[in-house]
Amino acid sequence: GAVVSQHPSRVICKSGTSVKIECRSLDFQATTMFWYRQFPKQSLMLMATSNEGSKATYEQGVEKDKFLINHASLTLSTLTVTSAHPEDSSFYICSARDHTGTTEAFFGQGTRLTVV
Amino acid sequence: EDQVTQSPEALRLQEGESSSLNCSYTVSGLRGLFWYRQDPGKGPEFLFTLYSAGEEKEKERLKATLTKKESFLHITAPKPEDSATYLCAVQANQAGTALIFGKGTTLSVSS
Repeated sequence: GAVVSQHPSRVICKSGTSVKIECRSLDFQATTMFWYRQFPKQSLMLMATSNEGSKATYEQGVEKDKFLINHASLTLSTLTVTSAHPEDSSFYICSARDHTGTTEAFFGQGTRLTVV
Repeated sequence: EDQVTQSPEALRLQEGESSSLNCSYTVSGLRGLFWYRQDPGKGPEFLFTLYSAGEEKEKERLKATLTKKESFLHITAPKPEDSATYLCAVQANQAGTALIFGKGTTLSVSS
């Protein structure tokens, strides 16, 4: 299957700082990328959908000024958690769908963010 | 509202003891139903996509089936390495929409 690489896999940051998470499609062009958040023993909750070259669409309740999403190319999307607080600690996962319109969405390895 | 419900939440099996996981869904037109495997601290790993009622797909000890209201993931003669959380997700009948996930079933297989 298609490969989606997410980096870093783990990050610890201090309260008030910003953290950037990268999501790359390695062997296909991803016109659409999705960012999810997952709490322990909970389902994946969609945060936002990003299409290459346009502004991301955020789900209700997700602060777009706090979770900045950029999808500047067909192989890279980034999620920046700004002014991080301990309650932002979570597992963040990206997924990508290719430009052919197939339904399969492939996932990155996830990023464990801990804010101290 | 589109919704996915998985049962049971947790399942413990002995090695070789076959069983099934259930995924019930309500969605405004099904574009696809997906099964993923997720290991602790990892992203979901794609297993199957099912598109229409009556469809079945197999991979090693896993077999997924689909009806108009639910999907089953059958595990035949499981091994300890099959231990993981199995996630079910649906995509509504609109291109480009994100997947809606259930909470998953955590499977533990002991030898």
